[in-house]
Amino acid sequence: QKEVEQDPGPLSVPEGAIVSLNCTYSNSAFQYFMWYRQYSRKGPELLMYTYSSGNKEDGRFTAQVDKSSKYISLFIRDSQPSDSATYLCAMIHMEYGNKLVFGAGTILRVKS
Amino acid sequence: DVKVTQSSRYLVKRTGEKVFLECVQDMDHENMFWYRQDPGLGLRLIYFSYDVKMKEKGDIPEGYSVSREKKERFSLILESASTNQTSMYLCASSLIWAGMDEQYFGPGTRLTVT
Repeated sequence: QKEVEQDPGPLSVPEGAIVSLNCTYSNSAFQYFMWYRQYSRKGPELLMYTYSSGNKEDGRFTAQVDKSSKYISLFIRDSQPSDSATYLCAMIHMEYGNKLVFGAGTILRVKS
Repeated sequence: DVKVTQSSRYLVKRTGEKVFLECVQDMDHENMFWYRQDPGLGLRLIYFSYDVKMKEKGDIPEGYSVSREKKERFSLILESASTNQTSMYLCASSLIWAGMDEQYFGPGTRLTVT
């Protein structure tokens, strides 16, 4: 079983929709939770990160962590065609230093 | 702005060839990483380095080696390329080792082994 599970999609939504992207994980020792965004033919870039449980909002993006359920989410409000990308969740286990464990990535397509 | 550059965007090699992938970062970062990215599998860590001449195996080191002779440069070596090493290779760097620190990625090298 993978440590981090993420549905690879693709997920196709109309412009303006609310998008929900999710990951589950098995290791309760993960403490930092990140979302990276990767545009086609580019490397991933950090979008948001949260520490432990709770919500964090940044403009149209909200990251949510539920440690009791081992479940993290990224919500995108008022989605735009420019949001079309692959979204990768990633986690850090403090004993592993800065080593990231990634999900498979979800391909998102926002249609205009 | 942190910049991570990779020597080639696309590379085609034959089975059995020795392949060198180069990565350079310009922000004096301590840590450097090599990943491969495959559809449905996400990014998997091959090797990382937290200091010059130091290297640690990641999750899938078999068939690969690395070299870090200078702080800014981290090389991935495929000793004898095989078709199952056809993949996107991504290099990344980060400033500190402890806990949360953003990893900055290069644009990737798409390697095809025929």
